[in-house]
Order: sequence, then C-alpha cells, then structure tokens
Amino acid sequence: DAKTTQPPSMDCAEGRAANLPCNHSTISGNEYVYWYRQIHSQGPQYIIHGLKNNETNEMASLIITEDRKSSTLILPHATLRDTAVYYCIVRVAVYGGSQGNLIFGKGTKLSVKP
Amino acid sequence: SQTIHQWPATLVQPVGSPLSLECTVEGTSNPNLYWYRQAAGRGLQLLFYSVGIGQISSEVPQNLSASRPQDRQFILSSKKLLLSDSGFYLCAWSSGGGGLYGYTFGSGTRLTVV
Repeated sequence: DAKTTQPPSMDCAEGRAANLPCNHSTISGNEYVYWYRQIHSQGPQYIIHGLKNNETNEMASLIITEDRKSSTLILPHATLRDTAVYYCIVRVAVYGGSQGNLIFGKGTKLSVKP
Repeated sequence: SQTIHQWPATLVQPVGSPLSLECTVEGTSNPNLYWYRQAAGRGLQLLFYSVGIGQISSEVPQNLSASRPQDRQFILSSKKLLLSDSGFYLCAWSSGGGGLYGYTFGSGTRLTVV
C-alpha cells in the first residue's frame, strides 16, 4: 500500500505556480520522497527526489517540512503541458529486494487551464 | 545514454490466447527491471521485478509470468489471457546501486483482451 496521501485533483492557471501537497506522516528516517508524473497514455516521468533538504532542478522544487511528515512539489510556472497525474512516493534506496520498489498511489490529477 | 524499449505499443488479443511483451534496456549493465500494470481508471501496480538474469520476484498472484533471459531483456508472458489482463503495461529500469535517482519507464504497451 502507498504510504502517502495526496488530494485527488487540483486546478492551476497557466503561468501560475502549481503547489502539490503530499502527506507522509509515517515516513522512516531512511526513506526518500520521490515525485513522478504521468501524462495521459505515457509512462511515468521522474521529476525530483529528496531526503531532508529542499531540492530544486530544472523541472520543479521540492519542499520537505522539518519533521519530514509532508512535502510540496512546486512547478513554478505551470504550462498546459504540465497537465498530468502527479505521484508522491516514499521509498528507501537499497540494492535489490522489495524494500526499494516504487509503489504508486492514486496521485493528484493536475489540470492546468488557460 | 540509457534507453528503454518496449513493444508492441498496442495489442488486441482474444481471450485464451498467449501473450509475450518484450522490454530491452540499452546503455547500462546489470539493471534492476520492473513490470507494472495500470488497469483502466486505476493506479500503477507493480507486477514483477528482477535484480539479475533468471531472478524474478512476483509482487501479486496473477495469470502472468516474467522472465529475464539476458541481462537487459525482460519478458512478460501469459499462456492464456483473461479479460482482466487488459491494461497498460509498463517496463522500467533502475540502476543496480539502489536506484537512488529513480526509475526510467518505457512508453508502455496498451493491451486489450477481447
């Protein structure tokens, strides 16, 4: 079962920041927070991941609370092409075994509107 | 650079017919390999994963099987398809070092069993 809770859907105006929340209150100390997105009829795409510190890359920013029980993915200037289902996943990073497998929940369907 | 290939892109098969979906990875060695399924309107479900040639782990009981005859080849099979096997099948790979930087997914195969 997924260890995260996300709102089922969100809307965002084109050009505005999209802030997608995720609760992971049972996260363990060795678990990372990962974000993926899935555009309709495509495979999921890796966006970003983090452990404790906030992270930023060319796609998005990840803000993790100090207690690590929740996080927010920020798309700074959403475009229509960002319309997708966004998945927040927690997992350990280990070699082999099932502990490190990516287990997807239902995600948040983000609709970016013109 | 690493690439992942999945084929065919779409497939329509009658109930009771066999199935073989193939996935190959290029540009890396000893990857971890995964098969996921996404049924209509549902989330991504991990079916199988493999950490090496001939090593297959099944996450859920089902009508499907997987094999890894070569280091970078992962095959999903069924002897007799059921209607419930319809869905979007995705192959993914991660580095053997724990996949810290996430999974890379193929473009998927949409299977319709009629």
